[in-house]
Amino acid sequence: QSALTQPRSVSGSPGQSVTISCTGTSSDVGAYNYVSWYQQHPGKAPKLMIYDVSKRPSGVPDRFSGSKSGNTASLTISGLQAEDEADYYCCSYAGSYTVFGGGTKLTVL
Amino acid sequence: EVQLVQSGAEVKKPGESLKISCKGSGYSFTGYWIGWVRQMPGKGLEWMGIIHPADSDTRYSPSFQGQVTISVDKSISTAFLQWSSLKASDTAMYYCARVRSGWFVDYWGQGTLVTVSS
Repeated sequence: QSALTQPRSVSGSPGQSVTISCTGTSSDVGAYNYVSWYQQHPGKAPKLMIYDVSKRPSGVPDRFSGSKSGNTASLTISGLQAEDEADYYCCSYAGSYTVFGGGTKLTVL
Repeated sequence: EVQLVQSGAEVKKPGESLKISCKGSGYSFTGYWIGWVRQMPGKGLEWMGIIHPADSDTRYSPSFQGQVTISVDKSISTAFLQWSSLKASDTAMYYCARVRSGWFVDYWGQGTLVTVSS
């Protein structure tokens, strides 16, 4: 199976918004509303930020939002803060298994 | 409090076998799938497979089918990941994770670093 496609890096200044895309196929992202997003700081375990395309777990700021159109899912972070600097991974169900994206490094300038 | 506690770091030689563990607590262990995720040094996350502790139903990602074995002992609320013959390319951090319906992870273990070197 192929990993979902994410940009290697994105950046933004504090207070700005950034969007990270996650492109799959009609067999994974396009087929199911089971896209999730994870934040990972260096040396730490990943943390769930978004599940079921657009749902936010309790405790995750509403600055984080998710959406999907066709075979592409997106994570938008508004009002960027220094602590948002991390790696972000999308993940999609693909029918009997799940697949991650390659990861995107977010730099807060 | 939900916790997944993994076994400690391992240093092994190529060709050796290894079994690492993940003990769940603070929830009904047999009520949720447990998954394993690999992260090679400086690289991204990769799903390896999942297992349901209630009936040991196991599903492997195609890339890992036949390369590892995932098992569980529900009597001690522990899932396992094992290799019969390690390779240098198995050097990585391995995370266990609680998988919810919708195939997302809400809780992660702290990770087990496996180093394979001659």
